[in-house]
Amino acid sequence: EDKVVQSPLSLVVHEGDTVTLNCSYEVTNFRSLLWYKQEKKAPTFLFMLTSSGIEKKSGRLSSILDKKELFSILNITATQTGDSAIYLCAVRNYGQNFVFGPGTRLSVLP
Amino acid sequence: GAGVSQSPRYKVAKRGQDVALRCDPISGHVSLFWYQQALGQGPEFLTYFQNEAQLDKSGLPSDRFFAERPEGSVSTLKIQRTQQEDSAVYLCASSRGLSGGLTDTQYFGPGTRLTVL
Repeated sequence: EDKVVQSPLSLVVHEGDTVTLNCSYEVTNFRSLLWYKQEKKAPTFLFMLTSSGIEKKSGRLSSILDKKELFSILNITATQTGDSAIYLCAVRNYGQNFVFGPGTRLSVLP
Repeated sequence: GAGVSQSPRYKVAKRGQDVALRCDPISGHVSLFWYQQALGQGPEFLTYFQNEAQLDKSGLPSDRFFAERPEGSVSTLKIQRTQQEDSAVYLCASSRGLSGGLTDTQYFGPGTRLTVL
């Protein structure tokens, strides 16, 4: 059965800290791995990763995929209170199925 | 059928036309999602139904976008007065779960590629 695991499930840091969120997966016919940020209701798309070793960056956020070891990390540097959210990892296969992880709840304290 | 189906698969519209995109979810699936996927991007959440109730429509980009699922099965995404920026693939997904949480496995349809000229 396809599975996505995220760790930690919950994380509390102070502003300015750097955090690393982990996502590991077991999916048949892997197509892509996606990261989303969910603050209240609708998740916001962050990154889509399809190739190993290529870092994607957007401001203070970056992510990389390791298709050999079947994991991805999402880094957030110089965290701000506005980064507080649930970060969802999802893996998509060629059957068009989308398997989400449980999410990491990040709280950034001032 | 066994999977999620969407129709039409391709739609070309002139700017200003209204379009209606249909989604048939997997039978018995409670939750239904619509996503918009621009070229080279991941799917962006549009709206979510649990049975016939639209519980979240915060992702709809403007009031020209409207979705319904009146009997809790088939859903229609309608876009009024289409604009060029509406050109994208519109994906429908369904999941079994009652929670409606994004953590349930979602099964996607093939999508409708909308091109607005």
